[in-house]
Amino acid sequence: DAGVTQSPTHLIKTRGQQVTLRCSPKSGHDTVSWYQQALGQGPQFIFQYYEEEERQRGNFPDRFSGHQFPNYSSELNVNALLLGDSALYLCASSLGGRGYQETQYFGPGTRLLVL
Amino acid sequence: AQSVTQLDSQVPVFEEAPVELRCNYSSSVSVYLFWYVQYPNQGLQLLLKYLSGSTLVKGINGFEAEFNKSQTSFHLRKPSVHISDTAEYFCAVSEGDDKIIFGKGTRLHILP
Repeated sequence: DAGVTQSPTHLIKTRGQQVTLRCSPKSGHDTVSWYQQALGQGPQFIFQYYEEEERQRGNFPDRFSGHQFPNYSSELNVNALLLGDSALYLCASSLGGRGYQETQYFGPGTRLLVL
Repeated sequence: AQSVTQLDSQVPVFEEAPVELRCNYSSSVSVYLFWYVQYPNQGLQLLLKYLSGSTLVKGINGFEAEFNKSQTSFHLRKPSVHISDTAEYFCAVSEGDDKIIFGKGTRLHILP
C-alpha cells in the first residue's frame, strides 16, 4: 500500500519564476493538505482540498494556489517566487473532510530552493 | 487565535534515561492535540493524538502524553529513550476547522 508520494524531491528556481509541486494521497484518502516548513520552523498550513475544492486556507498570499483532481491527487502552484519561498513543502492526506480528526499522513516533502 | 509553544528548542538526554518534551497551547475553544515526529530527511509521522476522553494518551514507540486543560499543556514523555529516538518532535493543535497549527519543534539529542 503506497503512502503519500510527492514530486519532485528537490527543485531549484529563480526569483519571479513559477513552480508546480505534486502530491498523490495514500490509497483510499480523499483529502489533501499542504504545508510549508521553513528551515528550523514547524510546518505552516497553506490550504486543504476536499472534493476538488479548497476547504480551508492559512495565512498565505494568492501567489499560492492549488488544485485537486478527480483521482484525489493535488498540485500546489506558487507564482512570482520570492527568496522567502525557499522551504520544504509537505503534503498530507487523510480520509474525509474533517481532517483534524482523522490521522493526516505526510509525504516526504519537496525541498524548494529559490535563488 | 490558536498557537503552540514548545518551550525547548533542543533537549539532550542520555540513552536509556527518561525524557519530557514540553508543549503549551493557546486557544479560546476546545482543542485537539497532536505530537508528530520528523526523522532526518523524512516527512512527519503521527506519534499520538488527543481528541477527547482520557487525558493520558499512549502512542507509538513507547511515547505518551498528558493533556492538562487547566495548564493548557500537552507534554510528551518517554521513560527510556533509545538512539533511534533522535529526531525533531512537533506539538500541534487543531480547533476542528481542518487546520493543524504546529509548534516550532524540539530537537531530541540522544547521548551515548
